[in-house]
Amino acid sequence: GQNIDQPTEMTATEGAIVQINCTYQTSGFNGLFWYQQHAGEAPTFLSYNVLDGLEEKGRFSSFLSRSKGYSYLLLKELQMKDSASYLCAVSNRDDKIIFGKGTRLHILP
Amino acid sequence: SAVISQKPSRDICQRGTSLTIQCQVDSQVTMMFWYRQQPGQSLTLIATANQGSEATYESGFVIDKFPISRPNLTFSTLTVSNMSPEDSSIYLCSVEETPEGQGTDTQYFGPGTRLTVL
Repeated sequence: GQNIDQPTEMTATEGAIVQINCTYQTSGFNGLFWYQQHAGEAPTFLSYNVLDGLEEKGRFSSFLSRSKGYSYLLLKELQMKDSASYLCAVSNRDDKIIFGKGTRLHILP
Repeated sequence: SAVISQKPSRDICQRGTSLTIQCQVDSQVTMMFWYRQQPGQSLTLIATANQGSEATYESGFVIDKFPISRPNLTFSTLTVSNMSPEDSSIYLCSVEETPEGQGTDTQYFGPGTRLTVL
């Protein structure tokens, strides 16, 4: 089967760093996406990894290890507006995108 | 990225009725997708809407329950038929684009339609 696992909820403090992990098992691999979804809103695209390593984009970085079926999203200098759900999604061999259930991130002042 | 709008943004419907959700894109796109996001669950692909041909449905979703139209390259509708409370969900349409500098398609989502079935 195809499975994407990520923690259900995490809490962090404003100004700190948080790492959201994602492990996946899919039929083939054509890339991994991270999306941010604020409550009541549509998901918005954050990052894409297809090769191993770290992709940095401002305060957000995403890491991929294909051999381990593992990714993480790193958020630095957390702001209150970063309170949202973060969805890990994988494109499989059929180019179908499989979404995880998302990690609800709570930022405390 | 493409600008996607959906109507209605939310609705409350009675059991047994049907609701048609509209999705409009500000540019021509080859493929449009319809997703469902039930409370606390991940996004689940319902079907891919292809212009000029029948929609392609994922396992567990059928045309009689979720008929889809795709009359042109900028518009699609999803109908949720004979609704039951289990159909209460957020329904999202999306399109694929290839961001500059990225070698693969990425999904961009509309704002969603929040459906509550009583």
